[in-house]
Amino acid sequence: AQSVAQPEDQVNVAEGNPLTVKCTYSVSGNPYLFWYVQYPNRGLQFLLKYITGDNLVKGSYGFEAEFNKSQTSFHLKKPSALVSDSALYFCAVRARSGGSYIPTFGRGTSLIVHP
Amino acid sequence: DSGVTQTPKHLITATGQRVTLRCSPRSGDLSVYWYQQSLDQGLQFLIQYYNGEERAKGNILERFSAQQFPDLHSELNLSSLELGDSALYFCASSPTGRFDYEQYFGPGTRLTVT
Repeated sequence: AQSVAQPEDQVNVAEGNPLTVKCTYSVSGNPYLFWYVQYPNRGLQFLLKYITGDNLVKGSYGFEAEFNKSQTSFHLKKPSALVSDSALYFCAVRARSGGSYIPTFGRGTSLIVHP
Repeated sequence: DSGVTQTPKHLITATGQRVTLRCSPRSGDLSVYWYQQSLDQGLQFLIQYYNGEERAKGNILERFSAQQFPDLHSELNLSSLELGDSALYFCASSPTGRFDYEQYFGPGTRLTVT
């Protein structure tokens, strides 16, 4: 089955430290990969995407992600975390389902940045 | 503000009832997606419409149906409601139907079935 996995339910980091939120995927063909963020009682907001091109993708709010084809990963990173980055982060991939493509989201990782 | 609107914001209803959730996409977006978010199931894709036509189907129950109208707004109909249907329902939109473009999510409708 085609899928995306976020192995950590929660990531804790101190403000000012680098952060990483992990994502691995299993799809056939070229993966279209996305990161979204969800703040409490809000809809998801787009952060960044990889469709093709450079493996290092830069996105909103200082976030970046690296596409690693050999490790089938697309980890989200930020050099210096802010308390305001605390939120729920979702990795998503375009997955094949029957004769069409569907968006498939990971279960989400709760990022907590401590002052 | 994503530009995607959803009504109502909250809905409380009883088991066995039917409800309709409404979504207006961002101006110019042709694709509408519906999702269900719950604590145990996470974020589940239900169905996608593109320019009025059904484009892709996910884990949508037979009791649920959707449509996209000529003005591109969409409605999700949930019938014979069960307690387990209590969840946040999100609508999202994008300009294309090819999943190469990011989706813009609405604020959601919180459905409580009692």
